[in-house]
Amino acid sequence: KQEVTQIPAALSVPEGENLVLNCSFTDSAIYNLQWFRQDPGKGLTSLLLIQSSQREQTSGRLNASLDKSSGRSTLYIAASQPGDSATYLCATKTSYDKVIFGPGTSLSVIP
Amino acid sequence: NAGVTQTPKFRILKIGQSMTLQCTQDMNHNYMYWYRQDPGMGLKLIYYSVGAGITDKGEVPNGYNVSRSTTEDFPLRLELAAPSQTSVYFCASSYLDRGPEETQYFGPGTRLLVL
Repeated sequence: KQEVTQIPAALSVPEGENLVLNCSFTDSAIYNLQWFRQDPGKGLTSLLLIQSSQREQTSGRLNASLDKSSGRSTLYIAASQPGDSATYLCATKTSYDKVIFGPGTSLSVIP
Repeated sequence: NAGVTQTPKFRILKIGQSMTLQCTQDMNHNYMYWYRQDPGMGLKLIYYSVGAGITDKGEVPNGYNVSRSTTEDFPLRLELAAPSQTSVYFCASSYLDRGPEETQYFGPGTRLLVL
């Protein structure tokens, strides 16, 4: 059964710093991996979706990479801003299961 | 478009009571999903639907029921509320289950407290 973990659980950085969020999964036979953002008291917003055949996806200051063989994905945020403060969740979809979410990393960007 | 809407936003239930969480989407999406999110945890899939009249169990379906009579609506029913069902419930929808249009759009959530 697929298990998804995210380390660290919480992260605090000063504004302007580049940062990396980590996501690990146990079953490398994934169909895709997705990164979401969740603001307090709100639903999830999809940030980036990487298909299994892709190595990375980029959107603005965000870059997500995927290494299926090692069971890892990273979300790189460049030049962080206070507005980036939120919880970031990764989720995998396998061929035999629906979407499995990680517990999330809570990010605080300090002005 | 309003996207995915959920009602109520917050509800307190007594043990053994029943209630229905409402979910509506106006994007003409085929796929709809119900998740629950416990504190410090990721989301877990309760039920999903691939179209009107078709539903299937997810990872944690016990204690819940769903129906899908129209494309737009996907209500979640709790028959006998238990403290273990205290959680935040999210409804989501997507146009497809595969490919470029499989991105799920989420509602704002319903916070449920069972005492």
